[in-house]
Amino acid sequence: EVQLLESGGGLVQPGGSLRLSCAASGFTFNSYAMGWVRQAPEKGLEWVSSITGNGLSTYYADSVRGRFTISRDNSKNTLYLQMDSLRAEDTAVYYCAKAHTYYDFGYWGQGALVTVSS
Amino acid sequence: EIVLTQSPATLSLSPGERATLSCRASRSVSSYLAWYQQKPGQAPRLFIYDASNRATGVPARFSGSGSGADFTLTISSVEPEDFAVYYCQQRSEWPLTFGPGTKVDIK
Repeated sequence: EVQLLESGGGLVQPGGSLRLSCAASGFTFNSYAMGWVRQAPEKGLEWVSSITGNGLSTYYADSVRGRFTISRDNSKNTLYLQMDSLRAEDTAVYYCAKAHTYYDFGYWGQGALVTVSS
Repeated sequence: EIVLTQSPATLSLSPGERATLSCRASRSVSSYLAWYQQKPGQAPRLFIYDASNRATGVPARFSGSGSGADFTLTISSVEPEDFAVYYCQQRSEWPLTFGPGTKVDIK
């Protein structure tokens, strides 16, 4: 059974940093692209970032490029999202997701809430 | 970036009725379009991938169609558990984008 478990969310001040982790199990982690999708309160889904299975290629939404960094440790079956220079508009539930074909999302974690506020 | 427009924003239906949800792309995405269902307080769930393929466990009353820039998600006969928000998403080019969603609620 595929499981994705996010951790690392919380309250942070504007300009601060936070690192999200996503522990994966139930599939061959290094064979699949992974991604982060966020959802601001009462809003729709917004793609944030994706990474290939081998970690060599990364992709970002314009809204986070230069501030967020996606990475993975295939030896630990873990996906990361390093978030720096956080802004109020980054407040959202952040979902970790496993690719189904290539860059759609077949399995999702339960989400990690990130709140950026002073 | 490719903009996805979904219509209608809200679809009010009674159980047993047919639902037709539209997703239109600002330019062709070939068949690289997915549909997700999201219920309140839950993570989204993949329902349709590559425009017309049902994901594992998705009931046969759900079907996807279309290619290029116009896509449709159809629920042949809405069941009580189908009331939710449905999002489309394209993976044709970066950045990946989602539509704003269609809420299917009970009339």
